Amino acid sequence: GAVVSQHPSRVICKSGTSVKIECRSLDFQATTMFWYRQFPKKSLMLMATSNEGSKATYEQGVEKDKFLINHASLTLSTLTVTSAHPEDSSFYICSARDLADAKNIQYFGAGTRLSVL
Amino acid sequence: GENVEQHPSTLSVQEGDSAVIKCTYSDSASNYFPWYKQELGKGPQLIIDIRSNVGEKKDQRIAVTLNKTAKHFSLHITETQPEDSAVYFCAASEAAAGNKLTFGGGTRVLVKP
Repeated sequence: GAVVSQHPSRVICKSGTSVKIECRSLDFQATTMFWYRQFPKKSLMLMATSNEGSKATYEQGVEKDKFLINHASLTLSTLTVTSAHPEDSSFYICSARDLADAKNIQYFGAGTRLSVL
Repeated sequence: GENVEQHPSTLSVQEGDSAVIKCTYSDSASNYFPWYKQELGKGPQLIIDIRSNVGEKKDQRIAVTLNKTAKHFSLHITETQPEDSAVYFCAASEAAAGNKLTFGGGTRVLVKP
């Protein structure tokens, strides 16, 4: 149980294009999902908290218009990197919290490696 | 906000030996401390966690200890095996902060056969 699926696992795009990353909780419902960014050999940095049915909460320094988050259902959150540039190249990871689990454990997806040419 | 420090950044051990990773946190309100294992190119996997109402938890070869007074917690891996080689992250969270996780910088563990 508690599987989080992230898609795609790898994406290469041209500068100026937009890229959408999906995060799905496969066997549980999640009112809250989290989006992280990880640079090579670095730790995970929280970008935003995705709340089902409401606006995402962004961490300080993260551009809302650059990283669009939509959490339209209890099992799906999407992150869209708009007008991507080479500096947006990174490993993006989502996590989800089981609505029915009072323990508040975060389960992580496998990550998406974005390369912007 | 919360700040989590993790040491060491790299750890090399001989197979069969023990590995210990230590973390300190700054916010005394933090009450949940998970440890994640991340293999190359993959997402983090929860390996063990501890809450502030207990001081120690064990799961087979893995144990975690928590000292609330000193605000530090540690991961202990006994009888290490080559498949334990990975990057390990500690984290801390607090309910009033929306249960957001603040991660330590990570420890790259290499178990040499």
